[in-house]
Amino acid sequence: GDSVTQMEGPVTLSEEAFLTINCTYTATGYPSLFWYVQYPGEGLQLLLKATKADDKGSNKGFEATYRKETTSFHLEKGSVQVSDSAVYFCARTTGGNNRLAFGKGNQVVVIP
Amino acid sequence: NAGVTQTPKFQVLKTGQSMTLQCAQDMNHNSMYWYRQDPGMGLRLIYYSASEGTTDKGEVPNGYNVSRLNKREFSLRLESAAPSQTSVYFCASSESGVKGNEQFFGPGTRLTVL
Repeated sequence: GDSVTQMEGPVTLSEEAFLTINCTYTATGYPSLFWYVQYPGEGLQLLLKATKADDKGSNKGFEATYRKETTSFHLEKGSVQVSDSAVYFCARTTGGNNRLAFGKGNQVVVIP
Repeated sequence: NAGVTQTPKFQVLKTGQSMTLQCAQDMNHNSMYWYRQDPGMGLRLIYYSASEGTTDKGEVPNGYNVSRLNKREFSLRLESAAPSQTSVYFCASSESGVKGNEQFFGPGTRLTVL
């Protein structure tokens, strides 16, 4: 079935460092791709999205480009802040766009 | 505009007890979803409702039932709770039939089954 794979393990980095979180998806259909963020004790909220190949989603300094040739949607930010500490989930549409398949998430901890 | 609301926020049950988790949205969305979140597992879909009057099983439906009461409300029921159902439960809603439409999430219900 449709699935999303995120890199293993938490990510710990210093303030102002460059952040990359890898995400790959199964190449079935023409999915839309999403990054969601979950701050401690809260629900998920949309960070950015892309609906077709070569689209770039961006928000709050975060970016991700829909790469069909490598079935990837990696999340990047050039200079992280302590306030970016959260769990980040990659997701793709599935089941005729009515549902989402999520990756397992990556805990990001930014140290001052 | 409250978005997606869930009640209760926290709940502790004993094995075998039953309870209903409530969810409501005020965005006039057609589709609603119930997920559970467990450490290292991401979000797994329990049930969803593509439109009022329809419900379908997701990835992990066993031990749960749902009711789409009306367009606004979608409840999740545990008939006989088990410790394996200890989790954080999220409700979400979205428009349907639109490419790239995002899901909006509630704040979650933290359930512990002893």
